[in-house]
Amino acid sequence: ELKVEQNPLFLSMQEGKNYTIYCNYSTTSDRLYWYRQDPGKSLESLFVLLSNGAVKQEGRLMASLDTKARLSTLHITAAVHDLSATYFCAGGSGGTSYGKLTFGQGTILTVHP
Amino acid sequence: NAGVTQTPKFRVLKTGQSMTLLCAQDMNHEYMYWYRQDPGMGLRLIHYSVGEGTTAKGEVPDGYNVSRLKKQNFLLGLESAAPSQTSVYFCAARGNVYEQYFGPGTRLTVT
Repeated sequence: ELKVEQNPLFLSMQEGKNYTIYCNYSTTSDRLYWYRQDPGKSLESLFVLLSNGAVKQEGRLMASLDTKARLSTLHITAAVHDLSATYFCAGGSGGTSYGKLTFGQGTILTVHP
Repeated sequence: NAGVTQTPKFRVLKTGQSMTLLCAQDMNHEYMYWYRQDPGMGLRLIHYSVGEGTTAKGEVPDGYNVSRLKKQNFLLGLESAAPSQTSVYFCAARGNVYEQYFGPGTRLTVT
């Protein structure tokens, strides 16, 4: 059974600083997702990582995947207030897992001026 | 093209009442999922469907039933609501690629 753990669960950052959110998972997962959720809203897909060493970047966010370490990271560069949200990672598999996702607890990110 | 829609958006139930949540998608996707979101726990899978007429249990299925009579609709039922079912419910749909598309959510309170 796949288990996914994120840390930290709460992150308070100053604008302009860099930080990383970590996502560890327990068993083999052939894809790793990152989502963003604003308060009271649905989940917005940020990245899908499909292979070892995959790196994707969008604006100030960069995600990477190390399948050997069972670790994905979401790196935030020069944070701005608009990045304040909850970030989830989720592990998923194809085949007989039918794309079911197992989510981490979420990281609540607050960016201060 | 609305993607994934959910009705209702909000609902308050009394303990023991029943209700059905409707999820509809216009993307012709085969796979659909129901998740619940509780504070500090991320999203947890309740039930899922891999095609019309099929359903299967997820991680937390107790107290819920589902049906997928039409490909575009996935219904989640609560036969006898309990306060522990107070949550935000999200439906998602996925086609042959890897993306899952989430609906806007239903906020349910059981008193």
